Amino acid sequence: KQEVTQIPAALSVPEGENLVLNCSFTDSAIYNLQWFRQDPGKGLTSLLLIQSSQREQTSGRLNASLDKSSGRSTLYIAASQPGDSATYLCAVTADKLIFGTGTRLQVFP
Amino acid sequence: SAVISQKPSRDICQRGTSLTIQCQVDSQVTMMFWYRQQPGQSLTLIATANQGSEATYESGFVIDKFPISRPNLTFSTLTVSNMSPEDSSIYLCSVLTGGPNTGELFFGEGSRLTVL
Repeated sequence: KQEVTQIPAALSVPEGENLVLNCSFTDSAIYNLQWFRQDPGKGLTSLLLIQSSQREQTSGRLNASLDKSSGRSTLYIAASQPGDSATYLCAVTADKLIFGTGTRLQVFP
Repeated sequence: SAVISQKPSRDICQRGTSLTIQCQVDSQVTMMFWYRQQPGQSLTLIATANQGSEATYESGFVIDKFPISRPNLTFSTLTVSNMSPEDSSIYLCSVLTGGPNTGELFFGEGSRLTVL
């Protein structure tokens, strides 16, 4: 059974820091991995989609990597801003989409 | 990408009543899903909404409690029946664009349900 874990569960950093969010999955037989952002009480916004054949994807200050063999993905956020404060979720697609536990990020001025 | 509208965005309901949530997509999509997010938790898939046939439910979810309609490729409804306080959650509609194994998932804004 696929399990997806995100570490840390919560993170609080000062504005301007570069930071890394981690996502681990137990079964490497995935089709793709997707990173989402969720603001409190809201739906999910897709940030990056990495296909199983890819190693990384970039969008602006965000960079996501994928290492299927080790069952890991990282989301790198450069020069963090208070507007980045949200919960970040990763999800892997195998026979179905399985969500991680999420990392709650707070960036303070 | 896909733009998804959900209604209502939030509601407060009495125990024992039912509520229907609507999901409208701005383009035709094959794969549409309903998720539940309980307070402080991640997302759990309730069912896949199939156009023209009965929805496919995940373990722990049944049609009598969560009936789903999918009359066409741009619209679906989820009903939460005979509600109890344990049903208080955010309910999210999502669609998959692209292929079933390579596509990207998009979400609506969610419907926050509070049951008293």
